[in-house]
Amino acid sequence: EVQLLESGGGLVQPGGSLRLSCAASGFTFSSHAMNWVRQAPGKGLEWVSAISGSGGGTYYADSVKGRFTISRDNSKKTLYLQMNSLRAEDTAVYYCAKSGPSNAFDIWGQGTVVTVTS
Amino acid sequence: DIQLTQSPSFLSASVGDRVTITCRASQGISSYLAWYQQKPGKAPKLLIYAASTLQTGVPSRFSGSGSGTEFTLTISSLQPEDFATYYCQQLNSYPLTFGGGTKVEIK
Repeated sequence: EVQLLESGGGLVQPGGSLRLSCAASGFTFSSHAMNWVRQAPGKGLEWVSAISGSGGGTYYADSVKGRFTISRDNSKKTLYLQMNSLRAEDTAVYYCAKSGPSNAFDIWGQGTVVTVTS
Repeated sequence: DIQLTQSPSFLSASVGDRVTITCRASQGISSYLAWYQQKPGKAPKLLIYAASTLQTGVPSRFSGSGSGTEFTLTISSLQPEDFATYYCQQLNSYPLTFGGGTKVEIK
């Protein structure tokens, strides 16, 4: 079964750091770009970051550029998001998603909650 | 950055109704558009990609059309399980962006 499982969310103070992980199974992980998407409470979807299959290409939303770093370990079939200098406005459910046909996001994880509060 | 404007943001409809949601892009994106359905507390689900191609397993009552800057998602006969929030997404260029969403509720 094709599956994505996020972990690493939690409660953190402003200015703190957190690393999210997304474990993939059921598909050839290294062949697909991967993404992080977040959703603040009661709000819409916001694309956060993407990484190519090889890891050689990375892309970020302006709102997180310079603070977040996306990476992947293809040998472990795992995607990461290192989040530094966290702000209250980073509070959200964070989803990892696989790029599929025409780069649309065809597989999503269940999400992990990040809460930034003092 | 490419902005996507969805309309309406809220829609009240009855079972069996035909429903159309519009997504307008601030600049041309060819057919690099996807539609997703999201139910409360759940991850989004891909419905349509490349503007008009139905994702495997999605019922045929869903259809998409358009290219360039104007796109539509149509549900030909609304079913109880279709009450949800729908988002469009452009995949033409980074940063990728989503529309603001359309919540479809029961009349």
